[in-house]
Amino acid sequence: GAGVSQSPSNKVTEKGKDVELRCDPISGHTALYWYRQRLGQGLEFLIYFQGNSAPDKSGLPSDRFSAERTGESVSTLTIQRTQQEDSAVYLCASSQGLNNQPQHFGDGTRLSIL
Amino acid sequence: GENVEQHPSTLSVQEGDSAVIKCTYSDSASNYFPWYKQELGKRPQLIIDIRSNVGEKKDQRIAVTLNKTAKHFSLHITETQPEDSAVYFCAATKQGAQKLVFGQGTRLTINP
Repeated sequence: GAGVSQSPSNKVTEKGKDVELRCDPISGHTALYWYRQRLGQGLEFLIYFQGNSAPDKSGLPSDRFSAERTGESVSTLTIQRTQQEDSAVYLCASSQGLNNQPQHFGDGTRLSIL
Repeated sequence: GENVEQHPSTLSVQEGDSAVIKCTYSDSASNYFPWYKQELGKRPQLIIDIRSNVGEKKDQRIAVTLNKTAKHFSLHITETQPEDSAVYFCAATKQGAQKLVFGQGTRLTINP
């Protein structure tokens, strides 16, 4: 079946602009996660959703970052007033449920802030 | 919070030899440890995982061992092949936490 789908695959924007990143999880997966991967680094947790609720937003770096999920499906990660340090690959993952179910990743969105 | 350290950062082995990557974790409550393989420009792919109720798990040429007392776990790849070349990440999480805490990655190169 289809895996986790993310769009756009690449985004280049000017500092100060807002960006929206989209994630379509695997069908039927109730849990959805956002991670950030800076060049040559490991993955940093940002936020996760169970259904449409976000029990843990502790990884969001600042109040410029927000995310929502609707219909227990698609999620969008929004970054307002982008800064150069926001440049990274933003990865989305989904799992069948919580409690240590395997997380499956999308290809990510490569975000470059000029 | 949880902290995961991964070593080595780079590893080069001859084709056919074995490769071992080690990770340590700080939170004794962690109970789920997946390993991901990431090829250049691609998504991280789950290759094997282990839960704290077992000490070892194998899947063909890949195995993972877990030492809960020492709080470390290792990935073993035997009979390495050129297609094993990639960056490997370990991760840890605990019941109720949901988020994975990742190591910094190991770039594995298999030399023909």
